[in-house]
Amino acid sequence: GAVVSQHPSRVICKSGTSVKIECRSLDFQATTMFWYRQFPKQSLMLMATSNEGSKATYEQGVEKDKFLINHASLTLSTLTVTSAHPEDSSFYICSARGVEFGYEQYFGPGTRLTVT
Amino acid sequence: GEDVEQSLFLSVREGDSSVINCTYTDSSSTYLYWYKQEPGAGLQLLTYIFSNMDMKQDQRLTVLLNKKDKHLSLRIADTQTGDSAIYFCAETKSNTGKLIFGQGTTLQVKP
Repeated sequence: GAVVSQHPSRVICKSGTSVKIECRSLDFQATTMFWYRQFPKQSLMLMATSNEGSKATYEQGVEKDKFLINHASLTLSTLTVTSAHPEDSSFYICSARGVEFGYEQYFGPGTRLTVT
Repeated sequence: GEDVEQSLFLSVREGDSSVINCTYTDSSSTYLYWYKQEPGAGLQLLTYIFSNMDMKQDQRLTVLLNKKDKHLSLRIADTQTGDSAIYFCAETKSNTGKLIFGQGTTLQVKP
């Protein structure tokens, strides 16, 4: 149980375009989903927290207009990187937690975004 | 403030025990976690400990928590080459669910 998937696993896009990353909880209802960003050989940086049906809460320094987060259902959250630039290239990881698992967060496998 | 620190690298021989250490600053943390990340992959929850516990054992894994010193450790018994990965400790407060991660410790297991 507690499986979280992400799609795509890798994406390459041109500078100026937008790219959408999906995060799904496959076998539980995720009341809260989190989006993280990880640079090479560095820790995870929390970008935003989203509760189903509510607007996402962004961490300080994260541009909400650039990183659009939607959590429209209990099993799906999306992160859209708008007008991507090379500095947005990174490893994006989502996590999810649900009532049945208490405070445990389960992580997706991550999405490698490369902006050329 | 919120700060979690780990040493960056640990090298052990196969069959030895590994001890990965972590310190944190937020005394109001409720849960402390250990995650494992293999190259190019997401994070796998290994174990966690509630802040009112001193120790938790789960097969080859032993977590020790010294709340007074705000020190957390993960001991892996009989370390195997498959244990080579980056290990992150993290803390959270129950009301926010936010995880604050350490920098990660790269564990290298030599045959």
